[in-house]
Amino acid sequence: GQQVMQIPQYQHVQEGEDFTTYCNSSTTLSNIQWYKQRPGGHPVFLIQLVKSGEVKKQKRLTFQFGEAKKNSSLHITATQTTDVGTYFCAGRYSGAGSYQLTFGKGTKLSVIP
Amino acid sequence: DAGITQSPRHKVTETGTPVTLRCHQTENHRYMYWYRQDPGHGLRLIHYSYGVKDTDKGEVSDGYSVSRSKTEDFLLTLESATSSQTSVYFCAISEPSNQPQHFGDGTRLSIL
Repeated sequence: GQQVMQIPQYQHVQEGEDFTTYCNSSTTLSNIQWYKQRPGGHPVFLIQLVKSGEVKKQKRLTFQFGEAKKNSSLHITATQTTDVGTYFCAGRYSGAGSYQLTFGKGTKLSVIP
Repeated sequence: DAGITQSPRHKVTETGTPVTLRCHQTENHRYMYWYRQDPGHGLRLIHYSYGVKDTDKGEVSDGYSVSRSKTEDFLLTLESATSSQTSVYFCAISEPSNQPQHFGDGTRLSIL
């Protein structure tokens, strides 16, 4: 089946450092979504990217969708303790199965104060 | 947060017993999903529904069945629970299917 690979699995940063997580698919995605899950919580939608080369920003968070629509990244500038959690990308493919999202395994971010 | 309620929130049961988890929504969304979340595996789709009585299998459907007799309720059944089905189960909804999914608070299921 189709897979979305996400790296790294874990990231420990000092507060104020930057953080980036990457997702990659072997086949073209129709769109990609990003979710954040706080410890003990449920995934919460952050953003959706649809267009080739799209870049979107939410305060300190920058999301990118690759030109070939096979990869995406989330970059957090100057991390804060409130950024702690697991970040998931979720890709959608065209055609059969387009109802479904395929989630990456997530990147767990720890921020050391 | 979207009006999604999962019940029960926690359950401990024994191998071989039947288990039913319920997802109830008040948003009138057509699309509903069941995921399981395990360490190192992220979120994996079990089954999904695209309308009343319309369901389909996801990536890890073996050992699970679902039913949707009303728009607001999506039931996940483990006919004969096994220890490998110990997990956290999340329900999600969306409308339409290509829009963001909103998740319930999850059910922590332990099978001994």
